[in-house]
Amino acid sequence: DAGVIQSPRHEVTEMGQEVTLRCKPISGHDYLFWYRQTMMRGLELLIYFNNNVPIDDSGMPEDRFSAKMPNASFSTLKIQPSEPRDSAVYFCASSRGGGTVANGYTFGSGTRLTVV
Amino acid sequence: AQSVTQLGSHVSVSEGALVLLRCNYSSSVPPYLFWYVQYPNQGLQLLLKYTSAATLVKGINGFEAEFKKSETSFHLTKPSAHMSDAAEYFCAVRSGGGADGLTFGKGTHLIIQP
Repeated sequence: DAGVIQSPRHEVTEMGQEVTLRCKPISGHDYLFWYRQTMMRGLELLIYFNNNVPIDDSGMPEDRFSAKMPNASFSTLKIQPSEPRDSAVYFCASSRGGGTVANGYTFGSGTRLTVV
Repeated sequence: AQSVTQLGSHVSVSEGALVLLRCNYSSSVPPYLFWYVQYPNQGLQLLLKYTSAATLVKGINGFEAEFKKSETSFHLTKPSAHMSDAAEYFCAVRSGGGADGLTFGKGTHLIIQP
């Protein structure tokens, strides 16, 4: 199993540009999570999907952020327009089962986003 | 709502010494608890988890953690620290009964002194 695959690993973009982060979850996992990690805030849950359907997006900071999961093997997190304060490491994670099943998540290696 | 508090943003121990990383949680339902480790420029890797079975949980790399309901704690320990243990450690809680995401603590940076 290749694990959770995220791309790109690093992204540097100018303020105002659109940024798209990509994630391929582990095959057979029905939950997918997007997290953001910063020094100030630590790890924050942005949004998660169950069977490709967004369940909770209350962590998405503002309308500039959007996430999609068109199928079970692919998800995107888009920021438009990007701002310097969006600079962070964005992690995707997947798991099998819901809250009644205590599975840990498998994390991808993250995308380090720098907005200049 | 669930929450996690990790005491000490940095912990420094000598190689061969006991490692103790503290985690206290708050949860309105019986919790599931996790410890993750993050090495530089990498994602988070699951160390161990508590799922309401045995209160003493053994994980990878010689780490273990004990769930203490009366103290709402889930501290991580390792009898003898190794240089390769230097990393960031995160405690996380996930409430049962619903498909919630993990709530993470702020993390503890473990420094191993030679």
